[in-house]
Amino acid sequence: QVQLQESGPGLVKPSETLSLTCAVSGYSISSGYYWGWFRQPPGKGPEWIGSISHTGSTYYNPSLKSRVIISRDTSKNQFYLKMSSVTAADTAVYYCARGASTIVAVMGDWGQGTLVTVSS
Amino acid sequence: DIVMTQSPDSLAVSLGERVTINCKSSQSVLYSSNSKNYLAWYQLKPRQPPKLLIYWASTRESGVPDRFSGSGSGTDFTLTISSLQAEDVAVYYCQQYYSDGTFGQGTKVEIK
Repeated sequence: QVQLQESGPGLVKPSETLSLTCAVSGYSISSGYYWGWFRQPPGKGPEWIGSISHTGSTYYNPSLKSRVIISRDTSKNQFYLKMSSVTAADTAVYYCARGASTIVAVMGDWGQGTLVTVSS
Repeated sequence: DIVMTQSPDSLAVSLGERVTINCKSSQSVLYSSNSKNYLAWYQLKPRQPPKLLIYWASTRESGVPDRFSGSGSGTDFTLTISSLQAEDVAVYYCQQYYSDGTFGQGTKVEIK
C-alpha cells in the first residue's frame, strides 16, 4: 500500500522560493504512475500544480509553469516541488499524490497535505 | 482555458435520497481518438485529502461504494449518489484533464 508524506517549511516569505518534499513508501516512483502536486487555498477548490512521470518527464499547469519545478530522487524514492517568487496567493494546503491509472493530472492516492503560509 | 461550472453550488438532501450534481465544461473534453471523456470527480471533506471517486467520466475508483456513479459525455456530466449516507456529507468537485486539469467551483452536499 503506497503512502505519501509531504514535508517542508510551513512559513515562506513573499518573493522567496517554496520547497516541498514528498517521501513515498510502499511503491517505487520509478516503477510506474504519474506523481503529482496539488494545492488547495483556504476556502477555495483544488488546483493541479504539476506532475512527474515514472520516467522523469514533467508536466505543469500553464498558469504556474514559469514558477514551478518538479524533480525527483529515485534513490531516496522522493519527489520535490519548488515554486519561486511566492506571494500571499500561494498560501494553501499542498498535497503530493500518485496518479490514477495512466492519467497525468488525476490522483488516486494522496498524502495528508501540508499547510504553507506565505507571509513576512 | 477550459472552464468547469458545477450546479448547484449546494444542496441539502434527506438520508437515503438521491443526489445529482451537474458539471458543464466550456468545451468538449471528449477525445475523439480514444472516445474517452477526460473528466473526474472528487470528494473533499474538511482536514482530509481529496478522494478520487470517478475518472474517465464513469469509471469508479477502486474501493468507492457503488452508490456513486458518473455519467455524461462531451460537455455535460453528472455525479449521482443513489442513496445519500451520512458519511457522504462533503464538497464534490469535477475536474477536466483534457487540458491543464482545471476544477469546477464545487458543490456542497448536506443532510436535510
